[in-house]
Amino acid sequence: KAGVTQTPRYLIKTRGQQVTLSCSPISGHRSVSWYQQTPGQGLQFLFEYFSETQRNKGNFPGRFSGRQFSNSRSEMNVSTLELGDSALYLCASSLDLNEKLFFGSGTQLSVL
Amino acid sequence: AQSVTQPDIHITVSEGASLELRCNYSYGATPYLFWYVQSPGQGLQLLLKYFSGDTLVQGIKGFEAEFKRSQSSFNLRKPSVHWSDAAEYFCAVVPQTGANNLFFGTGTRLTVIP
Repeated sequence: KAGVTQTPRYLIKTRGQQVTLSCSPISGHRSVSWYQQTPGQGLQFLFEYFSETQRNKGNFPGRFSGRQFSNSRSEMNVSTLELGDSALYLCASSLDLNEKLFFGSGTQLSVL
Repeated sequence: AQSVTQPDIHITVSEGASLELRCNYSYGATPYLFWYVQSPGQGLQLLLKYFSGDTLVQGIKGFEAEFKRSQSSFNLRKPSVHWSDAAEYFCAVVPQTGANNLFFGTGTRLTVIP
């Protein structure tokens, strides 16, 4: 069974641009969560989607958005990139609430 | 304020020695508690979790953790560390049911020396 797949693995953007990251969950998993990991702030929850609906949202500005498709694949978008958005973005999937989360290897975003 | 605290930023142990990583949480009710491990350049892997019941939880790779309500702690232990255990360890909580959002501690980096 394939794990959680995140693409691309690495990304370099410049300030002001926008970026879209993709996450394919484990087959059958309906919940997809996104996390941002930085050396300064650590791991922070961005949002969670379940059956195409955003179920929870962390404390991030509106520049950060996401969506989930009918096949459970998810994308997150960051508009008007800032230097501080440089981070490892991790996606995790699970069958449902309170089930084990499986993490992908992440997308390393660098904003120049 | 709600928080998860891992007081040790970096721990060094000798291979074969015992290990204890500390985690304290501050939430109104007993949250769901987790320990994750992250190797360099990798995502997070769940070691173990506590929802309810027996306060001593067994996980993968020989790890265990004990929930102590009176101390708001959920410390991770391993009796004999292997060189492959070198990684970053994160304690996390889900503060309520009906949510999958994990709140993480700042992590403890484990170095294992031969």
